[in-house]
Amino acid sequence: QVQLQESGPGLVKPSETLSLTCAVSGYSISSGYYWGWIRQPPGKGLEWIGSIYHSGSTYYNPSLKSRVTISVDTSKNQFSLKLSSVTAADTAVYYCARLNTVTSPFDYWGQGTLVTVSS
Amino acid sequence: EIVMTQSPATLSVSPGERATLSCRASQSVSSNLAWYQQKPGQAPRLLIYGASTRATGIPARFSGSGSGTEFTLTISSLQSEDFAVYYCQQYNNWPPSMYTFGQGTKLEIK
Repeated sequence: QVQLQESGPGLVKPSETLSLTCAVSGYSISSGYYWGWIRQPPGKGLEWIGSIYHSGSTYYNPSLKSRVTISVDTSKNQFSLKLSSVTAADTAVYYCARLNTVTSPFDYWGQGTLVTVSS
Repeated sequence: EIVMTQSPATLSVSPGERATLSCRASQSVSSNLAWYQQKPGQAPRLLIYGASTRATGIPARFSGSGSGTEFTLTISSLQSEDFAVYYCQQYNNWPPSMYTFGQGTKLEIK
């Protein structure tokens, strides 16, 4: 059974960089699949942030592309998200998830982690 | 960007009755449409993909239909555990890949 677990600081100051990691268990990232980040502001809907293939190819939401970096570390079986120059609008629950292919739904999700942007 | 619009925003239905949720895409997404269920404090759970295929372990009372721009999620006989928020998502916009979600429909007990 594939399991994903997000980790990282729950509080980030405005203008700083948000950094999260998603640890994957039950499956080797290097074997394939795509991996993604989705966020959900409190009380609001879901927004795709970006995705990465195990080879390192990345795809970002155009509205966030200038501030987002997603990377993969196959040796640790995890992938990461960095979002720079954060503001209060970036306060959200951040989820990591898996996609079978680039045109697939998100079939496995982490439990999510709340990141608050505040001084 | 493909905009996904769900209706209604809130749906009040009694247990045992049928619920019908709608999702419309601003342009054709073929059958590349998924439905998710989200309960408070939990991650979304994949229910339907390919517009009409139930994900592993999803009860048969959940069914999806539609293609192109109009989609429907039907829950045939509502159980207490079905009251939640439901999101549709398109995954057709490739290249470049740009996944978009609807704003959600809250299914509440009448």
